[in-house]
Amino acid sequence: GAGVSQTPSNKVTEKGKYVELRCDPISGHTALYWYRQSLGQGPEFLIYFQGTGAADDSGLPNDRFFAVRPEGSVSTLKIQRTERGDSAMYLCASSQGLAVYNEQFFGPGTRLTVL
Amino acid sequence: AQKVTQAQTEISVVEKEDVTLDCVYETRDTTYYLFWYKQPPSGELVFLIRRNSFDEQNEISGRYSWNFQKSTSSFNFTITASQVVDSAVYFCALSERNTGNQFYFGTGTSLTVIP
Repeated sequence: GAGVSQTPSNKVTEKGKYVELRCDPISGHTALYWYRQSLGQGPEFLIYFQGTGAADDSGLPNDRFFAVRPEGSVSTLKIQRTERGDSAMYLCASSQGLAVYNEQFFGPGTRLTVL
Repeated sequence: AQKVTQAQTEISVVEKEDVTLDCVYETRDTTYYLFWYKQPPSGELVFLIRRNSFDEQNEISGRYSWNFQKSTSSFNFTITASQVVDSAVYFCALSERNTGNQFYFGTGTSLTVIP
């Protein structure tokens, strides 16, 4: 079956611009997660959705970051006024239920480069 | 404080050698899960194993084995008779019942298997 997909695979933008990163979870998975991975580091949690609602957004670094999941499936991570420090790999994952019980399946990521 | 520590940043072994990747975790929760993921050069995180806090039985899957010891808060991963295809970054992760919405990842261990 299809895994988690993310588009685009690479995004290069200029400082100050707005970007959107898309995640298509595995069909039927109710939980969706966004992580950010900097070079040489492990993924860091950003936000978690259960269905349509953001159940935990405590990992978002500041109010320039926002994510939505309007129909409980596809999610979009939005970054306003991008900064060079936002450059990283952005990973999306989905699971059948709460992460504490279920493994997360990860997508290939979107590599964001802010010039 | 780092909840998951992978002290080995990089390891190189010659093909067919055994190698152990260390993982030490920290939690006050009595119910938690530990995971190992593999991130090959292609970038996509691949789930390897999940272990809950009430099951300290070691597990073997082919050339892979895992040693979970609550007394030392460790969940180590051994690859027997390593192969070039095992070259990747390996991440250990923790999820807790009380903060069950996210994984806490270690910083990863980069394994290179030399032919």
